[in-house]
Amino acid sequence: KQEVTQIPAALSVPEGENLVLNCSFTDSAIYNLQWFRQDPGKGLTSLLLIQSSQREQTSGRLNASLDKSSGRSTLYIAASQPGDSATYLCAALRGAGNNRKLIWGLGTSLAVNP
Amino acid sequence: DGGITQSPKYLFRKEGQNVTLSCEQNLNHDAMYWYRQDPGQGLRLIYYSQIVNDFQKGDIAEGYSVSREKKESFPLTVTSAQKNPTAFYLCASSSINFYNSPLHFGNGTRLTVT
Repeated sequence: KQEVTQIPAALSVPEGENLVLNCSFTDSAIYNLQWFRQDPGKGLTSLLLIQSSQREQTSGRLNASLDKSSGRSTLYIAASQPGDSATYLCAALRGAGNNRKLIWGLGTSLAVNP
Repeated sequence: DGGITQSPKYLFRKEGQNVTLSCEQNLNHDAMYWYRQDPGQGLRLIYYSQIVNDFQKGDIAEGYSVSREKKESFPLTVTSAQKNPTAFYLCASSSINFYNSPLHFGNGTRLTVT
């Protein structure tokens, strides 16, 4: 059974720090790994999608890496800002056709303090 | 701007009543999804639809029903058979080529049943 784990569950850092959020998955047979951001009481916003054949994706201050062999993905946030405060979720896509399914982690709640 | 609109933002109902949550998208996406989010649990898939007039049960479909009469619309009905309906409900959509197309989410509907 595919499981996705995010560590740490919560993180508090001072503004300006570089930080890494971790996502691990038990089954390496995934098609992609997606990172999302969720602000309190809001929906999810897609940040980065890494296909299984890729090693990393970058968008602005965000960089996500994928290592299928070790079952890990990391989201790197450079020069963190208070506006980065949110919950970050990862999800792994497995299966094909009608059996495809996104398996979700519980998220890392990030607080960036001014 | 393209996006997903969920309405209403907050919904209150008495136990035993059916209630319908609205989801409309103007992204021209073929696939649409309903998720439920509860504190301390990952997102759980209720129903999804890949084309008009067709939909499949997700992991927790009992007590819910959907329809997909138009490409843009995917309403969710929470019936009185759902044992614990109070939750945050999220609608999402994606391109049919989901292997390299991320999910787009609405801002959610918070349903409270008393």
